[in-house]
Amino acid sequence: AQSVAQPEDQVNVAEGNPLTVKCTYSVSGNPYLFWYVQYPNRGLQFLLKYITGDNLVKGSYGFEAEFNKSQTSFHLKKPSALVSDSALYFCAVKEDSNYQLIWGAGTKLIIKP
Amino acid sequence: ETGVTQTPRHLVMGMTNKKSLKCEQHLGHNAMYWYKQSAKKPLELMFVYNFKEQTENNSVPSRFSPECPNSSHLFLHLHTLQPEDSALYLCASSQSLAHTGELFFGEGSRLTVL
Repeated sequence: AQSVAQPEDQVNVAEGNPLTVKCTYSVSGNPYLFWYVQYPNRGLQFLLKYITGDNLVKGSYGFEAEFNKSQTSFHLKKPSALVSDSALYFCAVKEDSNYQLIWGAGTKLIIKP
Repeated sequence: ETGVTQTPRHLVMGMTNKKSLKCEQHLGHNAMYWYKQSAKKPLELMFVYNFKEQTENNSVPSRFSPECPNSSHLFLHLHTLQPEDSALYLCASSQSLAHTGELFFGEGSRLTVL
């Protein structure tokens, strides 16, 4: 069965430090992987995706994610965190043969000045 | 300006009321979705429409009734809801079903059932 795990409910990072939000997945076919961000009182916004190719994917607002097939992970990263990055982050996966998107439960990212 | 607009943003209703949520997308997309978002849970896909035809009903109770009159508009009709239905209801669209990973979301309708 397909699944996505975001093992941390909350991640706290000091402004200017690097940040990582973790995501692991389980699918039987080739994975398509996605990250979304949700700012308070807003809908979700697409950040980046991995379909194929380079394992390091760059997205909006300076975020990037690294696909690791052996560890079935797709962690979201940013070299230097901003207070404005504070939000809820969702990882999602789908198989290449299926249009159903499977979501993680979300990770709250708090960036402290 | 968001490409997907949802109204109302907030709704409080009793268990015997009938109300509707509205979603409109200005992106020329062909697929539209209703999601339910509850705190600390994964998003729950409720309904999927492709070219205004329903392609997915994810075992949603009949007290939720979707309507898609055209590819730009999506409604969620609510009737005799339960308190556990209180949640944020998100509408989303994508270019097609092949692009379900690249969704454009509205800001949501926060529903409270008393």
